Amino acid sequence: EAGVAQSPRYKIIEKRQSVAFWCNPISGHATLYWYQQILGQGPKLLIQFQNNGVVDDSQLPKDRFSAERLKGVDSTLKIQPAKLEDSAVYLCASRAPGQGNYGYTFGSGTRLTVV
Amino acid sequence: GQQVMQIPQYQHVQEGEDFTTYCNSSTTLSNIQWYKQRPGGHPVFLIQLVKSGEVKKQKRLTFQFGEAKKNSSLHITATQTTDVGTYFCAGAGNTPLVFGKGTRLSVIA
Repeated sequence: EAGVAQSPRYKIIEKRQSVAFWCNPISGHATLYWYQQILGQGPKLLIQFQNNGVVDDSQLPKDRFSAERLKGVDSTLKIQPAKLEDSAVYLCASRAPGQGNYGYTFGSGTRLTVV
Repeated sequence: GQQVMQIPQYQHVQEGEDFTTYCNSSTTLSNIQWYKQRPGGHPVFLIQLVKSGEVKKQKRLTFQFGEAKKNSSLHITATQTTDVGTYFCAGAGNTPLVFGKGTRLSVIA
C-alpha cells in the first residue's frame, strides 16, 4: 500500500511571499488532515476534510491560510502571505474509514522556512 | 478546548534501563493513540486504546489507558538504541486527534 505523498519536501521563502503544499492520501482514505508541527512541539490540527467537505477548520488562521480538496482525493494547503512564525513542518495525514485500531498515517511532511 | 499534557519533556536513559512517559487529558477521551517520531521523521502510529483500564503490549512496549479515560502511559522495558525518538500521545474526544508535546527519549549505549 502506498503511503501518504507530500510535496515539496522542503521550501524556503521570504516573509510575505506565498507558498502551497500538496498532499495525496492513501487510496480509499476519505478523511484527510493537515497538521502544523513547530520544532519541539506536537502536531497541531489545521483542518480536517471528509471527502471534499471541511469537517473542522476552527484552528486554521483563515486570514492567511486556505486549503482545498476539490475532488475528495488530493489536497493543497496555501499560505498567503507567509509570516516568520509559519516556519514549521506541515504534515498531511489520512485515516482509514470506520472504527478499529486505525491510527492516522502521516506523510513525510513539508518543512517550511520563512526568512 | 481539549488539552493533552505529557511528562517528562525529555528523558535520557542508559541502554537497558526502563522508560515511562505519562499523558493526561483535560477531558474524558473516547480513545487515545500513541505515535513515535524518529529524529527528522514523521509521526508513526503505534497503538490505539479505547476501553477504560485497557492494557496492551507490543514486545517491550506496554500501553495503559486510565480507568477514567483521561490519562495514559507508555512503558518501555530494557530500552535499546532503536527506541530513540519522540513519543506522542494523542487524544480523541469529539474532535480530531489532539497531540501532546511529546517526550523525547535519548538512549545512551
